[in-house]
Amino acid sequence: GAGVSQSPSNKVTEKGKDVELRCDPISGHTALYWYRQSLGQGLEFLIYFQGNSAPDKSGLPSDRFSAERTGGSVSTLTIQRTQQEDSAVYLCASSLVASGGRDTQYFGPGTRLTVL
Amino acid sequence: AQSVTQLGSHVSVSEGALVLLRCNYSSSVPPYLFWYVQYPNQGLQLLLKYTSAATLVKGINGFEAEFKKSETSFHLTKPSAHMSDAAEYFCAVSRKNSGYSTLTFGKGTMLLVSP
Repeated sequence: GAGVSQSPSNKVTEKGKDVELRCDPISGHTALYWYRQSLGQGLEFLIYFQGNSAPDKSGLPSDRFSAERTGGSVSTLTIQRTQQEDSAVYLCASSLVASGGRDTQYFGPGTRLTVL
Repeated sequence: AQSVTQLGSHVSVSEGALVLLRCNYSSSVPPYLFWYVQYPNQGLQLLLKYTSAATLVKGINGFEAEFKKSETSFHLTKPSAHMSDAAEYFCAVSRKNSGYSTLTFGKGTMLLVSP
C-alpha cells in the first residue's frame, strides 16, 4: 500500500516568509509525528498527534512553529517568519497506534526546507 | 530521560566484510530500541526493533542486533557487506509517555562500502 507522503519535496523560501509543509500518513494510522533533521542537531522530535489532537508539542523550537491535523489524516506544519536556522529536512512519520513504545513509525521522504 | 550514542560518524568496510555499527543507550526504564536506515534523499526505513522479547533481533537485508542490558548496547551487525548497504544508519530509543512514545535518535553512522 501507499506509504507516508510529504509535499513539497523541496522548498526554498526567503527569510521572513511563512511556509506550510504537508504530510499524508498511511491510511488508518492514528498516530502522526513530525521530526526535524539538520546537520547540527541530528534528528529531533517536534510534535505528536493522536487523531486530531496534539498531546505533545514539547519539541517545537519556538512559537513560530505550529501544526494541525484534520480528519485524523493530513497534517500541516507551519513555520512563520522563517529564519535561516529553520533550514533542515522535515520528516513526518505515522504509526497504526501509539502503544507505549512498541509501535513502528513509518517515515515519509521528507521536505527539504532552505531559507535564504 | 533516554539518550542514544552512536560511536563513529563514519564506518568504512570492504564488500564482503563484517559490518559492525555501535549503539549505546541510556534509559531509566527497560528500553525499546530501533535501528533505521536512510538512503540518500529518502526517509527512514526500519531495519529492526527490540521490544523486550528475544535479545537477538533479526531484521531486513541480513542485519541483526543484540540487546545487551549489562553493556547498555544494541550494536548492529551484518556478516557480509554489500555495496547496496551504503547508507546512513540511526539507532533510536523510544521515549515512553502516557500511552504513546516518541523516538530519540543517535547522531547517525554513515556506512561506506568499497569494492
